[in-house]
Amino acid sequence: GESVGLHLPTLSVQEGDNSIINCAYSNSASDYFIWYKQESGKGPQFIIDIRSNMDKRQGQRVTVLLNKTVKHLSLQIAATQPGDSAVYFCAENAYDSYGQNFVFGPGTRLSVLP
Amino acid sequence: GAVVSQHPSRVICKSGTSVKIECRSLDFQATTMFWYRQFPKKSLMLMATSNEGSKATYEQGVEKDKFLINHASLTLSTLTVTSAHPEDSSFYICSARDLGQGPYEQYFGPGTRLTVT
Repeated sequence: GESVGLHLPTLSVQEGDNSIINCAYSNSASDYFIWYKQESGKGPQFIIDIRSNMDKRQGQRVTVLLNKTVKHLSLQIAATQPGDSAVYFCAENAYDSYGQNFVFGPGTRLSVLP
Repeated sequence: GAVVSQHPSRVICKSGTSVKIECRSLDFQATTMFWYRQFPKKSLMLMATSNEGSKATYEQGVEKDKFLINHASLTLSTLTVTSAHPEDSSFYICSARDLGQGPYEQYFGPGTRLTVT
């Protein structure tokens, strides 16, 4: 079935380096994507979103890139800090007979090394 | 920003008992709330969509008689795990949609960790 997946389940980066977390999706009809950050024992936190009519969106230290041709989404974190250590999920909107919901990818754990 | 709370944050119960988890939108009205389940080191899996004033819609494979959802007001949805068993132990997360912010906005609660002994 349609799904959202990640290329890398874990990612370790040095503090101060840039991080890139990738996500592949298979539903070409998805028109909205979100990246969430989840710290241990907490609920997901919204980081940044992007609509399908865009290919890049920037926030504070984060950038999301969308490549619809290859159905690929990435999250770039500049100057990674220890507080960025968490699990990151991409999510795509999906529609079924009940309406709209979000489908989450499996997640990538980001570990920031001192 | 929009805040969603959950209560309790942690609960331990004995096998066979029922547990109720509350999800509240604190500063906005949520016509739709979502309930997710998350196993350790796994992604969120949508269990059901809760619409205010109507029956919840469950995802395939989720037992509606076991996971009772009630969305009685625009700020409160409850999930009751009935006759809990150890395999129901999990992290349950709710989210709420603020239509005033647009159809895509969804805010997550902090989660409830359920342990069934």
